[in-house]
Amino acid sequence: GEDVEQSLFLSVREGDSSVINCTYTDSSSTYLYWYKQEPGAGLQLLTYIFSNMDMKQDQRLTVLLNKKDKHLSLRIADTQTGDSAIYFCAESPDNQAGTALIFGKGTTLSVSS
Amino acid sequence: DTGVSQDPRHKITKRGQNVTFRCDPISEHNRLYWYRQTLGQGPEFLTYFQNEAQLEKSRLLSDRFSAERPKGSFSTLEIQRTEQGDSAMYLCASSFRLTEQYFGPGTRLTVT
Repeated sequence: GEDVEQSLFLSVREGDSSVINCTYTDSSSTYLYWYKQEPGAGLQLLTYIFSNMDMKQDQRLTVLLNKKDKHLSLRIADTQTGDSAIYFCAESPDNQAGTALIFGKGTTLSVSS
Repeated sequence: DTGVSQDPRHKITKRGQNVTFRCDPISEHNRLYWYRQTLGQGPEFLTYFQNEAQLEKSRLLSDRFSAERPKGSFSTLEIQRTEQGDSAMYLCASSFRLTEQYFGPGTRLTVT
C-alpha cells in the first residue's frame, strides 16, 4: 500500500544546514512535495519535484530525489529560527497528478539560536 | 490576492450534534480538496471536487460525512451525529494546476 515515512524530530543550530528525509513506497508517484506547517496554521507549499528529476533548487531549499531507493530529502541552507515548524513530505500516488496527496507524519524542525 | 479561507476557524460541539464547515477556494481554482488532520499526524484525504462534481471519496468519509460544492465555487463539509473521534483539524485545499494544492488555515473541531 501507499506509505510515506519521515523521521519525527530534527534539531539544528541557527546558520547550519538542515536535512529532512522521507521515504515513500509508490514507485509510480508522479510528484513529490514538501509542505511546512507552523503551529495552529494550515500547510504552506514549499516546493515539489517531478519524478523524472533528480534535484530541484529554490533559494535556500534543495530537494533531492533518489527514485531507485524511493528517497526524498529537503535541505534548508542557513537555517533560521523562523524555519522552526513541522515539515511534511507528500506524494501523489498512482501516477495521477491532481488527486489525493498522501502525507507523512511530519518532521518537527527545531532551530536554536 | 486572498488565499483559501475556511469558516469557522474553531468549533466546539457536543457529541451527537451536526456541524457544517465552509471552504472558499482561491478564485478560479477548479479543484477543491478536503483533508482531516489529527494530532501528531499528517493530513488524510477525505474527498475532492472538480468544479461541482465530486470525483473521489476516501473510505474515511463515513455515511455521517457529506460534502458539497453546488456551484463549483465554495464547498461545505457536514458531519452528522458527531462523535469524539471526529475531533480533528479539517483542512481545505484548492488547485488550478494539477501539481499544486494550496491549503487554508483549517477548522479545528472539538467534540465534547
